[in-house]
Amino acid sequence: ETGVTQTPRHLVMGMTNKKSLKCEQHLGHNAMYWYKQSAKKPLELMFVYSLEERVENNSVPSRFSPECPNSSHLFLHLHTLQPEDSALYLCASSQERGGTDTQYFGPGTRLTVL
Amino acid sequence: GQNIDQPTEMTATEGAIVQINCTYQTSGFNGLFWYQQHAGEAPTFLSYNVLDGLEEKGRFSSFLSRSKGYSYLLLKELQMKDSASYLCAVREAGFQKLVFGTGTRLLVSP
Repeated sequence: ETGVTQTPRHLVMGMTNKKSLKCEQHLGHNAMYWYKQSAKKPLELMFVYSLEERVENNSVPSRFSPECPNSSHLFLHLHTLQPEDSALYLCASSQERGGTDTQYFGPGTRLTVL
Repeated sequence: GQNIDQPTEMTATEGAIVQINCTYQTSGFNGLFWYQQHAGEAPTFLSYNVLDGLEEKGRFSSFLSRSKGYSYLLLKELQMKDSASYLCAVREAGFQKLVFGTGTRLLVSP
């Protein structure tokens, strides 16, 4: 595998379900991000982890819970979501203080909440 | 506050040149990025500007004027595969936070 991978690619869940999204980066980066992309809206930054510590939490509801067990893996745990949470969830990684610090994105998980 | 503006949609013909503009007002500035995103796929990095001027990379060029809060992405010799959304993003000073515009959907016709 190369770059940033995400699983699953598609997820349909009910409002009472609990599920997790997984992201893995194979670029040797030290920072990872979760973004939400809704139709006709800009990408919204949700969480940032740098060196496995959460450094940004953009007022995200507690029904979204991130976890970063090591610098290569990032999870987003979901529980009791609402239909308006349906969106494309993108993971990204970058190398902090490594030049342009460009963020590289995974293909995303298309989430539908019924 | 933070505000990044770009046109919602543009159309162009194969072989032509198109310029996608982006204006921004953010709290601090530490670089501007352009990404390309095909429908259902990941955004892919196109260009980065942190100093004023033009950065050229093959058929794509990006320009920045920090004093005007303005950037553009120039696509030359358009191909059908260039049909995609183009996202402008500004990195605020301090940390890694990128603020994105809503994206410009470019449709290239034969």
